[in-house]
Amino acid sequence: AQTVTQSQPEMSVQEAETVTLSCTYDTSENNYYLFWYKQPPSRQMILVIRQEAYKQQNATENRFSVNFQKAAKSFSLKISDSQLGDTAMYFCAFMTNLYNNNDMRFGAGTRLTVKP
Amino acid sequence: KAGVTQTPRYLIKTRGQQVTLSCSPISGHRSVSWYQQTPGQGLQFLFEYFSETQRNKGNFPGRFSGRQFSNSRSEMNVSTLELGDSALYLCASSKDRNTGELFFGEGSRLTVL
Repeated sequence: AQTVTQSQPEMSVQEAETVTLSCTYDTSENNYYLFWYKQPPSRQMILVIRQEAYKQQNATENRFSVNFQKAAKSFSLKISDSQLGDTAMYFCAFMTNLYNNNDMRFGAGTRLTVKP
Repeated sequence: KAGVTQTPRYLIKTRGQQVTLSCSPISGHRSVSWYQQTPGQGLQFLFEYFSETQRNKGNFPGRFSGRQFSNSRSEMNVSTLELGDSALYLCASSKDRNTGELFFGEGSRLTVL
């Protein structure tokens, strides 16, 4: 079974500081894709960053970057220079075989609060 | 460009009733997926439609069904509602099936009394 685990239900960070959200996953597949989605309060979920498992280079999107450790099955999200608008639920997600299976598995989420 | 639109946004039903939720994907998006979000179970995949065909289905009972129309709009139906069906139902669209980038709607919040 493919599972995604986020061990930090809640986190907080001061504005302008850096925070890292953890995610581990379990799969026997070799080709898969990992994602971080953000769900702000009462707003729709949006994609933050995506990583293909076959790429060794960690993905980066502006202030958001990941630390992808394939052997350890770890996929953490680092948010630099945190802003108040980063306050949201963050979900780590996993998907295999995009062409035949659009079944994305989500972790339980981490509620991040950015404090002024 | 309009985003994913879900209707209704909120609804209240009683046990035993049925409900139909609607999702209009982003123009040009052909894949529509449905997810159930609850505090206890988190986000769970319901099913995915592409080109009017169900391509994949999650582990939900047959009371949960869906369909997709030729314009890519999708509906999901839940029959014989149970209290445990109370949840936020999220629809997500993607341009194709090979991106993994899902665009979510704001959801339909269903309360079953």
